[in-house]
Amino acid sequence: NAGVTQTPKFRVLKTGQSMTLLCAQDMNHEYMYWYRQDPGMGLRLIHYSVGEGTTAKGEVPDGYNVSRLKKQNFLLGLESAAPSQTSVYFCASSLVSGTNEQYFGPGTRLTVT
Amino acid sequence: GENVEQHPSTLSVQEGDSAVIKCTYSDSASNYFPWYKQELGKRPQLIIDIRSNVGEKKDQRIAVTLNKTAKHFSLHITETQPEDSAVYFCAASSYGNNRLAFGKGNQVVVIP
Repeated sequence: NAGVTQTPKFRVLKTGQSMTLLCAQDMNHEYMYWYRQDPGMGLRLIHYSVGEGTTAKGEVPDGYNVSRLKKQNFLLGLESAAPSQTSVYFCASSLVSGTNEQYFGPGTRLTVT
Repeated sequence: GENVEQHPSTLSVQEGDSAVIKCTYSDSASNYFPWYKQELGKRPQLIIDIRSNVGEKKDQRIAVTLNKTAKHFSLHITETQPEDSAVYFCAASSYGNNRLAFGKGNQVVVIP
C-alpha cells in the first residue's frame, strides 16, 4: 500500500500561471481533504470531498478549485496563481466522516513568484 | 463552527521531563479529539485520539485527558526523548461532521 501520494513534491510558479496538484490514495477511503500549511497558521482546510463526484468548500477556498472524478483521486487546481498561495499543500484521506483518522500525503511545496 | 485553541505555542523541556499541551474547544457537540505529530519536513501523523465516552487514554509514554465540562483536552508526554521534538496539532470533530477543526499547533523542543 502506497497510502496517500501527492504529485508534484515541489513547484515554482509565476504569478498568473495555473497548475493542478494531484492526490491519490489506495485505501478505498471515501473522504479526501486538501489543506494548506503556513507558518503559525496550522492546517487550514481548502476543500474536501465526501465521495466520488462530490466536493465542498472548507475555510479558505478562494482561488482554488477541486475535482473528484474517481474515488481514489482528488485534484486541486490553481487557475491564476498569486504570491499569497505560496504554501505547503497537504492532501489527506479518511475512511468515512470527520471522526476517523486522517492519513496525510507527503505534501507539495509551492512557491509563487 | 468549531474553534480549537492550543497553548502554549512553544514548549521547551529537558530530556526525561514531562510535556503537557492543552487545547480548548468551543462546540459542546464535539466528541472526537485526535492529536497529530508533525516532525520537521514530514507529514502530520495521528499519535493518539480520544472519544468523549472516556476521560483518559494512554499509549506507552503518551496520554490524552478530556474534560468535557471545561471543554478542554490535553496531551501528556512522559520521559521525553529527542525524537519527541515536533509540532503537535490537536483537533476536534463530532459525529455527522465531515471534517476536523485543527488547532494552530505547538512546537515541542526536547533539550538533550
